[in-house]
Amino acid sequence: EPEVTQTPSHQVTQMGQEVILRCVPISNHLYFYWYRQILGQKVEFLVSFYNNEISEKSEIFDDQFSVERPDGSNFTLKIRSTKLEDSAMYFCVRRVAGQETQYFGPGTRLLVL
Amino acid sequence: GDSVTQMEGPVTLSEEAFLTINCTYTATGYPSLFWYVQYPGEGLQLLLKATKADDKGSNKGFEATYRKETTSFHLEKGSVQVSDSAVYFCALSDNNQGGKLIFGQGTELSVKP
Repeated sequence: EPEVTQTPSHQVTQMGQEVILRCVPISNHLYFYWYRQILGQKVEFLVSFYNNEISEKSEIFDDQFSVERPDGSNFTLKIRSTKLEDSAMYFCVRRVAGQETQYFGPGTRLLVL
Repeated sequence: GDSVTQMEGPVTLSEEAFLTINCTYTATGYPSLFWYVQYPGEGLQLLLKATKADDKGSNKGFEATYRKETTSFHLEKGSVQVSDSAVYFCALSDNNQGGKLIFGQGTELSVKP
């Protein structure tokens, strides 16, 4: 099973601060996704990324969110100015092109105070 | 849009009881269907999948059959164990739309010894 790792495992931040969540390492020819799960609620799609560009994003993924591969390996999700309601578990997910299965990372638990 | 509906939890069973967790979906295309499991404090793990009508996915004693006529993908297990206690998520992926997963709300299963 392809491995997905995420850092940090936990992050606490103040409202209005920027956070960067990382998915490491990555390989080529893969789709990447970010999902989030607010405590006790369903898992929600945020964005999909392929060939260095966004292929689809949800209504949740507004201007406060961005994704990139800053050094060609790490895949990051940035939240520019966090809100209380951004508190959630964020999952990085990968899928090999041509296959259906998506493999979830362990998640980053973000708490916005 | 596409959606997934699961039976509400929590579901509490005694060890060795029969398990059914209902899942129905609506989709405009021909989705792949998945069951993911989330153990306490962990991320999501793929439990089983089915990619076309009448396919049966199975793993660890769990089974689910893709029923196009009833738009269902019910999860079953003949004899549950305490270690099966977790939250189970039904999901679909419309491969024509970049493969994002759409999840149901999750069903918490608690198995008592």
